[in-house]
Amino acid sequence: EAQVTQNPRYLITVTGKKLTVTCSQNMNHEYMSWYRQDPGLGLRQIYYSMNVEVTDKGDVPEGYKVSRKEKRNFPLILESPSPNQTSLYFCASSTQGPETQYFGPGTRLLVL
Amino acid sequence: LAKTTQPISMDSYEGQEVNITCSHNNIATNDYITWYQQFPSQGPRFIIQGYKTKVTNEVASLFIPADRKSSTLSLPRVSLSDTAVYYCLVGPIFDDKIIFGKGTRLHILP
Repeated sequence: EAQVTQNPRYLITVTGKKLTVTCSQNMNHEYMSWYRQDPGLGLRQIYYSMNVEVTDKGDVPEGYKVSRKEKRNFPLILESPSPNQTSLYFCASSTQGPETQYFGPGTRLLVL
Repeated sequence: LAKTTQPISMDSYEGQEVNITCSHNNIATNDYITWYQQFPSQGPRFIIQGYKTKVTNEVASLFIPADRKSSTLSLPRVSLSDTAVYYCLVGPIFDDKIIFGKGTRLHILP
């Protein structure tokens, strides 16, 4: 089954404790992206990747890192999480661009 | 990326046809119009995409007038399960960035 998977689905952590949210897709898609969704603010793009070893900032990249060492994986790294990074995070992928993306199930993060 | 304007929320009843309009006055020549649907606690799901006139698939229809400054997503005979947030996006195909906006919260009543 074609899908985008994210892990963990739920995470509670404390300020400053490094964490990684994994994202994997099995559709051989070149394009992958991370979003965060907050009430009243909609979906905002954090980082995206056009292909392996090619990443770029979205609209809200501060406090996040990404890497794209393999085509199927695009982990989101929070080196020193802060409470304002409490949010619902979505990973997405598509064949070449963001117009027709497949989204993962989401990761709900709470930073205390 | 063209800015889009959609109603914040809409209510309708089961069995009705629902039309959600999106304004995009500064749409560029190479921009496409794409709609996504998002159910609570799920990621958005691609519904339909078009460039001009009319596009129809098994889920919805998309109407785009000749000037392309607006578009209308049409959902035929909605059911309770169509309650979701609908996002209108405008941008060039294969562009690298995208802006979702706040979407339209559609609430279907029994």
